[in-house]
Amino acid sequence: DIQMTQSPSSLSASVGDRVTITCRASQPISTYLNWYQHKPGKAPNLLIYGASSLQSGVPSRFSGGGSGTDFTLTISSLQPEDFATYYCQQSYSTPLTFGGGTKVEIK
Amino acid sequence: QVQLQESGPGLVKPSETLSLTCTVSGGSISTYYWSWIRQSAGKGLEWIGRIYPSGSANYNPSLKTRVTMSVDTSKNQFSLKLSSVTAADTAVYYCVRNGKLSHFDFWGQGTLVTVSS
Repeated sequence: DIQMTQSPSSLSASVGDRVTITCRASQPISTYLNWYQHKPGKAPNLLIYGASSLQSGVPSRFSGGGSGTDFTLTISSLQPEDFATYYCQQSYSTPLTFGGGTKVEIK
Repeated sequence: QVQLQESGPGLVKPSETLSLTCTVSGGSISTYYWSWIRQSAGKGLEWIGRIYPSGSANYNPSLKTRVTMSVDTSKNQFSLKLSSVTAADTAVYYCVRNGKLSHFDFWGQGTLVTVSS
């Protein structure tokens, strides 16, 4: 199985801050990396697929990058509605696996 | 807009079989993979497996011996059966569409299944 490791596991930030979350795969996965936002009581929401492609309807302040084993999700200017948990997920091979999540909290 | 809706019992007894169905609307089930994902309280997301409309399926090895998935294209539905459940299977279960890059682009709202006697 491909293990996905996210860092940090949590962070505190203020509205307007630039936030970067990192995801590392245990083996190369090309650009088969996706990012999700998850709020309590709701289904996760796809933000980025293929490492850097913005899902339709997702604000442009979200961006993704990386290839191989190291990836990033960046929120250029944090908004109140962005406080949530973020997960990366590899779609290179089955079993499809997720990172442990990064909880973004209000400072 | 594709929509997915899970249905099934919210309470299952230990050692019994958990059964859930996902109904897809707003699009055909015929051309994508369809997955089940779960999240236990306080834990992360776990992929259970996926099925293609042909009936071909891939399961997570951690659950493979207990999981069966099926699809009914005439009803635009797919289903999950998880046998010999324990309290560790208590979770919110989501049905999800796999996009072309195996990303998860459309999700059901999720249904809580509790395993308890």
